Amino acid sequence: NAGVTQTPKFQVLKTGQSMTLQCAQDMNHEYMSWYRQDPGMGLRLIHYSVGAGITDQGEVPNGYNVSRSTTEDFPLRLLSAAPSQTSVYFCAVRLRGGGPETQYFGPGTRLLVL
Amino acid sequence: ILNVEQSPQSLHVQEGDSTNFTCSFPSSNFYALHWYRWETAKSPEALFVMTLNGDEKKKGRISATLNTKEGYSYLYIKGSQPEDSATYLCAFRITGGGNKLTFGTGTQLKVEL
Repeated sequence: NAGVTQTPKFQVLKTGQSMTLQCAQDMNHEYMSWYRQDPGMGLRLIHYSVGAGITDQGEVPNGYNVSRSTTEDFPLRLLSAAPSQTSVYFCAVRLRGGGPETQYFGPGTRLLVL
Repeated sequence: ILNVEQSPQSLHVQEGDSTNFTCSFPSSNFYALHWYRWETAKSPEALFVMTLNGDEKKKGRISATLNTKEGYSYLYIKGSQPEDSATYLCAFRITGGGNKLTFGTGTQLKVEL
């Protein structure tokens, strides 16, 4: 995961605050996605993007916004944080090709909402 | 919603034991099955991507098989070592699924000395 970076690594928010989780990649991969990981739930897809200017919802999109103005960056915004959004968030990238390309994960952002 | 199930949920083995676990997925519209290794406090690391029925992949002491007709994949670890302790995730992708991966909840493996 050397080519995928996430910031911050850890964040504490109060209920109602907003923040942006950053994801950046230097792999020139078209496909980027955000997952959240909760105990017993596995990785669940929040939003994804197949290229600059194109985004779509995943399995659990409510409470999150995304945008993709460049190939490199895919920020995830929490508009009004809630305790239910306490989780570990992973960004992932993959080539948008014709085959089953490997998906590479960033190091994760641990978020605590009080 | 696609259902990907992994069993067992957790597993404790002794060093040197061989072990295996299962990933079950819908057999229709199959496109690819991914296996990841996920150590605590790190990010998931790709192990294998499998696409063809009967596929067998190997990486060191770890290998995987795929049966797309019945909808399952096995991951095998031969001669487990403490450094194999991790959660092993599988993820399933369907044709026409918009590049989305659906993950199982993982099998947590602990290898004890």
